[in-house]
Amino acid sequence: EIVLTQSPATLSLSPGERATLSCRASQSVSFSFLAWYQQKPGQAPRLLIYGTSSRATGIPDRFSGSGSGTDFTLTISRLEPEDFAVYYCQQYGSSPRTFGQGTKVEIK
Amino acid sequence: QVQLVQSGSELRKPGASVKVSCKTSGYTFTQYGMNWVRQAPGQGLEWMGWINTNTGNPTYAQGFTGRFVFSLDTSVSTAYLQISSLKAEDTAVYYCARPTLVRGVIIDVFDIWGQGTMVAVSS
Repeated sequence: EIVLTQSPATLSLSPGERATLSCRASQSVSFSFLAWYQQKPGQAPRLLIYGTSSRATGIPDRFSGSGSGTDFTLTISRLEPEDFAVYYCQQYGSSPRTFGQGTKVEIK
Repeated sequence: QVQLVQSGSELRKPGASVKVSCKTSGYTFTQYGMNWVRQAPGQGLEWMGWINTNTGNPTYAQGFTGRFVFSLDTSVSTAYLQISSLKAEDTAVYYCARPTLVRGVIIDVFDIWGQGTMVAVSS
């Protein structure tokens, strides 16, 4: 099973700042099949990024993904008030599918 | 539009069972598998497994074998999760989630989610 470790656990930033979230895999993620989700309290997760860097439908371009192998990054170029939430990475290159433990982006 | 609508919150005693439904609409039910994801209070997301909606064949992640059963009723485009012999640690929100179609290929990232069903287990 691929274990995904996200860092930091919490990121305290102000609106307008850049957010950089990390997701490290315990082994190489096949075909860079890595996705990112955003989750707000009381809501289901929302797909942001798939295939490491492809934005899902309707996702603004301030969200971008990069990486390969075992190291992946989600970048939010300029934080908007609605971006403060928990973010999860997920690999789908091998079974079982696995999620990281999440990074909380909170208002500083 | 595509929707997954789950059944309401449940409260059960330890040892009881519960069945959560996930009613789909807006797409051909058998075209996409159905996945289940657990989220314990204050915790992260945990993939439980999926069920092939064509064959009914389920696949369970480690830790979700034995007491957890995925099933279908294709006549009403609905997937089910049944949990038996409930324990306190089963207390969680359970989500159904549909994979995504990208350039003609269905991939296991989840763009459509149910609203979640809270299952609380307490004596």
